[in-house]
Amino acid sequence: GENVEQHPSTLSVQEGDSAVIKCTYSDSASNYFPWYKQELGKRPQLIIDIRSNVGEKKDQRIAVTLNKTAKHFSLHITETQPEDSAVYFCAAQGAGSYQLTFGKGTKLSVIP
Amino acid sequence: DTGVSQNPRHKITKRGQNVTFRCDPISEHNRLYWYRQTLGQGPEFLTYFQNEAQLEKSRLLSDRFSAERPKGSFSTLEIQRTEQGDSAMYLCASSFRTSSRYEQYFGPGTRLTVT
Repeated sequence: GENVEQHPSTLSVQEGDSAVIKCTYSDSASNYFPWYKQELGKRPQLIIDIRSNVGEKKDQRIAVTLNKTAKHFSLHITETQPEDSAVYFCAAQGAGSYQLTFGKGTKLSVIP
Repeated sequence: DTGVSQNPRHKITKRGQNVTFRCDPISEHNRLYWYRQTLGQGPEFLTYFQNEAQLEKSRLLSDRFSAERPKGSFSTLEIQRTEQGDSAMYLCASSFRTSSRYEQYFGPGTRLTVT
């Protein structure tokens, strides 16, 4: 089955700096890659996603890039703010399946 | 609130008891998913419904677990003879009916504690 590795597990940045979180996946047939933000005690919230036919997608301060050849995708957050502090999860969905396989998460701390 | 809802939000039970959780998806969604999340981990897939049909099941879903979605609307997840290892957050998610829409939206979860 699919396996998703996520790095780093923790990340601290100064407010205003950029943050990058990286994930790799094992199933070359995977075709959908969402990112979720989960604040303490809250539900995972979808913040951005990308499909395998697209290399990059941007939404204001958040962007995701996908390299299908290398089987990795990354989340980029620019101009970080304290409210960006949370745990971020990447996930992959295989072709012909609707289940998401999640990484173990990255705890992002934005220091004011 | 038009999002995914789950009840109860918290459940404390003694080992060996049965528990049942309910999930109400977003009304126009026909796909419904159950995941389990333990502390410090990402959600792990348990099972998936399209309308009332259960189409995918994880090997994590042992014989003690059963899920239903009898009328293609709300779903229930039952755990029989609970074990301490079942303690986790049980998350429900739903998604649109069209094949071109992939986004899964999560509910707030039911936190199960088995003592």
